[in-house]
Amino acid sequence: EPEVTQTPSHQVTQMGQEVILRCVPISNHLYFYWYRQILGQKVEFLVSFYNNEISEKSEIFDDQFSVERPDGSNFTLKIRSTKLEDSAMYFCASGTASNQPQHFGDGTRLSIL
Amino acid sequence: RKEVEQDPGPFNVPEGATVAFNCTYSNSASQSFFWYRQDCRKEPKLLMSVYSSGNEDGRFTAQLNRASQYISLLIRDSKLSDSATYLCVVNRPQGGATNKLIFGTGTLLAVQP
Repeated sequence: EPEVTQTPSHQVTQMGQEVILRCVPISNHLYFYWYRQILGQKVEFLVSFYNNEISEKSEIFDDQFSVERPDGSNFTLKIRSTKLEDSAMYFCASGTASNQPQHFGDGTRLSIL
Repeated sequence: RKEVEQDPGPFNVPEGATVAFNCTYSNSASQSFFWYRQDCRKEPKLLMSVYSSGNEDGRFTAQLNRASQYISLLIRDSKLSDSATYLCVVNRPQGGATNKLIFGTGTLLAVQP
């Protein structure tokens, strides 16, 4: 069964550094998403991406965050200057249509020191 | 009022028991409804989509009541492997191209031998 893959599985970074989280969505999917989950809390929407542009973003997704689909397969989330409160599990998801279920990758655990 | 509300549990049940989870949502414009399960420190995995007519998948039955803005999940003949957090998930339509998902905090199920 096709799956969403994410790398790295765990990223440890010093506060203030830039990080790039990588995702390879399922190949025939057109809709791409990033979510995060702070330990012990619920999953929160960050951003959605369709037709090579951001479709929606949450209030969490400020100007320190950016997303890119640099080629036909990768979808990346960049945090320019990380803060302690960015420590969380980051999940990439993809879907075939806007009202269809989203399939999640196994996440990147981001730890900011 | 939270956009998606669930009883956090935990629900501790013996193997073979029937267990029901309930969820309410506040946005009457929501169109897509799902149950996901999440194992500890893992990604959300789609369990089933939820339709107004109700739907069943083996031991799992989901129901949607749009008038009451209420969603349910019934698990029959619980197995040890059903132990997980069950997430009620609803879309928040924003008029954009994509489908932003709003997650409940989840209900923890522990099936005891």
